[in-house]
Amino acid sequence: QVQLVESGGGLVKPGGSLRLSCAASGFTFSDYYMSWIRQAPGKGLEWVSYISSSSSYTNYADSVKGRFTISRDNAKNSLYLQMNSLRAEDTAVYYCARAVGNLGRPNWFDPWGQGTLVTVSS
Amino acid sequence: EIVMTQSPATLSVSPGERATLSCRASQSVSSNLAWYQQKPGQAPRLLIYGASTRATGIPARFSGSGSGTEFTLTISSLQSEDFAVYYCQQYNNWPPKYTFGQGTKLEIK
Repeated sequence: QVQLVESGGGLVKPGGSLRLSCAASGFTFSDYYMSWIRQAPGKGLEWVSYISSSSSYTNYADSVKGRFTISRDNAKNSLYLQMNSLRAEDTAVYYCARAVGNLGRPNWFDPWGQGTLVTVSS
Repeated sequence: EIVMTQSPATLSVSPGERATLSCRASQSVSSNLAWYQQKPGQAPRLLIYGASTRATGIPARFSGSGSGTEFTLTISSLQSEDFAVYYCQQYNNWPPKYTFGQGTKLEIK
């Protein structure tokens, strides 16, 4: 079955860095756009970034642009999120999700991983 | 940025009754809208895409409607497992700048 498993979360000080990973299985990873979406404690969902199937296209939310970098390794069926200059407001559960839609466009997200918690605090 | 507004924030409904959740977009998103269900401690699950198409495995009691700026998710006869938080998400822009509503918590009355 289609499965996404995130890892790499943890406690980091403000200004620090962290790299999240997402291991995909059960589908042809290289055929799909992938995305990161986060959820602050007790809050709603916020889209963070996406990457095209061949890594040609990426896009970021304004709140993380210039600090976060999304990447993927299709040979390893893996998605990554490099997070630099972390702030307290980046504290959240980070989900990776497959982006699917009509005509191959990355429109909606299905499925989602179980998430990994990132806590930014001194 | 397209702002998505969900109402009400909390909806109290008895099992077996119908629940109607609303989502409004700050500008037209055509039918480019999805709905998700999130239970405590779990990841969101896709319910509806294209405003009205059920995702694979989603029971027929879930239905979506609307277009433009006004959307509705209806659960026809609530089951105990349906009490959760529901989010709408628009995907009208290209390149995408996805935005979610703030969520509606569906609780047992």
